[in-house]
Amino acid sequence: SQQGEEDPQALSIQEGENATMNCSYKTSINNLQWYRQNSGRGLVHLILIRSNEREKHSGRLRVTLDTSKKSSSLLITASRAADTASYFCAANFNKFYFGSGTKLNVKP
Amino acid sequence: EAQVTQNPRYLITVTGKKLTVTCSQNMNHEYMSWYRQDPGLGLRQIYYSMNVEVTDKGDVPEGYKVSRKEKRNFPLILESPSPNQTSLYFCASGQGANGYTFGSGTRLTVV
Repeated sequence: SQQGEEDPQALSIQEGENATMNCSYKTSINNLQWYRQNSGRGLVHLILIRSNEREKHSGRLRVTLDTSKKSSSLLITASRAADTASYFCAANFNKFYFGSGTKLNVKP
Repeated sequence: EAQVTQNPRYLITVTGKKLTVTCSQNMNHEYMSWYRQDPGLGLRQIYYSMNVEVTDKGDVPEGYKVSRKEKRNFPLILESPSPNQTSLYFCASGQGANGYTFGSGTRLTVV
C-alpha cells in the first residue's frame, strides 16, 4: 500500500501565483522528501525534512511537516511556467514510499 | 558528474524473452533500488539492496530478479516478461538519510 498520498492530484495556476501541495502518510517516518518529475523523466530530489523539523526552506520552496497529523505540505512561491511538472512526496521509514503525485500546470 | 545510468532507455520485447535492464551509479552509494511507475499508481518499489550481496523484496517483486555483485551495479532481470510488466522503470541510489538520485528511466513494452 502507498504510504505517501498527495493532494490535490492536479493543480493549475497562473504564473506568479503560489502552489501548495499536500502529502499524508501512514506511519512514523525518519524523514519526508519531495521530488519533482518532468514528463517521463527521472525524479529529481527537491528537499528533505527530518522528523524533528517543522519547516524548511530552499529557494522558492517551503516545506512543512506535522508529525502529529502525519502530513506535509510543499509550497512553491512565485511559480513559473518551468515549474510545470509532477511532484511526489516520499515517506522514509527504512524504505521509501512514494505517492501518486500532484500534477502541477503553471500557465504563462 | 554524479549520476545513475540506466540502459536501455526504451525497449520493446515479446512475451517470455528474458531481458536485463542495467543500472550503474558512480557515487559509491550502498543503497540501490528499482521502481516501476504506472499511471495512477505512483512509484512502486520492486527490489532494493542495502549493500553488495544484500537484496530484498519491495512491494511488487513478482516476475523480477536482481543481483548486487558489485557496489556500483544493480541490474533488473525479467526472466519471462509478460504484458503486465509494461511500465516505466527507474533505478535509484542513495546514501544514509539523504535523498535518492534517480536514473532517467527505461520504458519497457512487452507485447
